[in-house]
Amino acid sequence: KAGVTQTPRYLIKTRGQQVTLSCSPISGHRSVSWYQQTPGQGLQFLFEYFSETQRNKGNFPGRFSGRQFSNSRSEMNVSTLELGDSALYLCASSLDDSPLHFGNGTRLTVT
Amino acid sequence: GEDVEQSLFLSVREGDSSVINCTYTDSSSTYLYWYKQEPGAGLQLLTYIFSNMDMKQDQRLTVLLNKKDKHLSLRIADTQTGDSAIYFCAESPSYGGSQGNLIFGKGTKLSVKP
Repeated sequence: KAGVTQTPRYLIKTRGQQVTLSCSPISGHRSVSWYQQTPGQGLQFLFEYFSETQRNKGNFPGRFSGRQFSNSRSEMNVSTLELGDSALYLCASSLDDSPLHFGNGTRLTVT
Repeated sequence: GEDVEQSLFLSVREGDSSVINCTYTDSSSTYLYWYKQEPGAGLQLLTYIFSNMDMKQDQRLTVLLNKKDKHLSLRIADTQTGDSAIYFCAESPSYGGSQGNLIFGKGTKLSVKP
């Protein structure tokens, strides 16, 4: 079974631009969660989607948004990028209420 | 608010046992997890324990849970150089009603010396 797939692996953007990251969950998994990982703040929860509905949201500004499609694939979008948005963005999927399985992440660098 | 604390570094010799410790604050957490992260990779689920258990063993891994002290530990027997990585402890908070929102510790970097 293929794992969680995130694209792209690396991304370089300029301040003020916007970015879209993509995540394909493990086949059959309907829940997708997103996390931001930085050296200073560690792993922080962004949001969780289940059956195309946002189920939980972390403490991030409205510039961070996401969505989930009917095939459970998910995207997250960050608008008006700031230098502090540079991070590893991790997507994870699960069967409902089972442990999270993570992808390898998208490394975003904002210059 | 909820918080998960871990020591930042641990160094052991190959063949020894490693014990990584974690404390958490949400006494109503249903599950507690251990994840491993190698350089340039995502998080790999190692093991997890339900809050009504006090021990779980899985091959070289032993998880101990002291719910009274809110203390979780991961013991790796016969540690190998391939076990060198960052280990994260995580709890699922009692609010939210799902396992998708985890609170992670800052991670313990395990270095294994040959």
